[in-house]
Order: sequence, then structure tokens, then C-alpha cells
Amino acid sequence: DADVTQTPRNRITKTGKRIMLECSQTKGHDRMYWYRQDPGLGLRLIYYSFDVKDINKGEISDGYSVSRQAQAKFSLSLESAIPNQTALYFCATSFGDTETQYFGPGTRLLVL
Amino acid sequence: DAKTTQPPSMDCAEGRAANLPCNHSTISGNEYVYWYRQIHSQGPQYIIHGLKNNETNEMASLIITEDRKSSTLILPHATLRDTAVYYCIFYNFGNEKLTFGTGTRLTIIP
Repeated sequence: DADVTQTPRNRITKTGKRIMLECSQTKGHDRMYWYRQDPGLGLRLIYYSFDVKDINKGEISDGYSVSRQAQAKFSLSLESAIPNQTALYFCATSFGDTETQYFGPGTRLLVL
Repeated sequence: DAKTTQPPSMDCAEGRAANLPCNHSTISGNEYVYWYRQIHSQGPQYIIHGLKNNETNEMASLIITEDRKSSTLILPHATLRDTAVYYCIFYNFGNEKLTFGTGTRLTIIP
């Protein structure tokens, strides 16, 4: 079984809809992250969390919100999806103060 | 934030050593250099990291210049499965995050 899982793997939605992307991990890591990747570009950090009660904005948090329901779960929500949020979304985890991050398989989101 | 500069693309013959350069002239003393790679659209995969000493693991070697302004990732015997985008990244303990650039697209040629 994969250590970091993301659901759904693919999603098509319409402008204005609320959508949630979920991430779960079995690695026992305390830190979790959400990134987005646009075609031909590197990853950009949306939000990150160092433990259940800690949430921090990344460089592109506008239009997104997150919830850290448990150490193992970190959800990303698009409150009102817009077409320029069409992207590949990755969740990642890390442990303690080492920044070796382990990535999930990604969620491909298309907003029409 | 400190920035990295990588060539956008490189080719390497299968079985040869692939040497991927990264310039990071503005790196500060407490920033680690990390390398990740991304095969097609999969999640990035950690390769190696270092602060100032050269490092080696089962995947690669990392050579960091004495002034820390540049580094080279070495894949000693490249295979077709090493075709990927390779990212040279800083980890800044003050910012507590990795900053990805656009990376180098490495193509291994049979």
C-alpha cells in the first residue's frame, strides 16, 4: 500500500463548485503540505501544516483552504472553483525538522 | 528567497554518468541543497541532500563547491528510467519550506 494517498486521482468540476481534495498518510509524519503544479512549471506551495493545530499559508493560498482533521489527514478545499485552478495537485509529508518530503501520486483537477 | 539556476534540458547516453549542474550563488549558510526528480507527472521523488560536504547514497552523488555557490548531482550509470525532470531546491529552516524551480529535463538516450 502507498504511504501517501490522494483522492480523487482525477476530477472534473464546473466553475463555482466547491471541491475537496483529500490526502492520507500512513508514514506517521507530523508535517503535511499541499502543492500545485501547472504545465511546464515547478511545484508551488499552497498550504502546510506542522501538526494538527498548525496551519500555514504558502505562496499561493488565495482561493484555497485546508483542514488538518488528524495527524494522518490533510484536506484541501476550493471554495468556489475557477478555471485557472486547473492543475495537478500534490500532497506531501515530512517528519520533524528534516525536509525530506514524500509525495503522493497527485490529483489532476480540471475546472470548466 | 535564494534562487537556483538550472539548465532547462540535458541529454545523456545510457550507461554514462549524468552530471546535472545547479547554481545557487545567493545560498545562505543554513540552507540545505536538496535534489528531487519527477518522472512524467508522478509525485516528486527525493534523491539526496547536503549542506556543505559531498554526499553519496544508493541513487546518486552530490558535489557541493567549497563556496557553496553551485552543486552537481551525479547519476553514475544512467538508465532509461532516469529520464525525468530534476529539481535543485533549497530548504531554508527559517522559512520552513522547499521552493521548487522549473528544473532540468534529463533525457537518457539509448
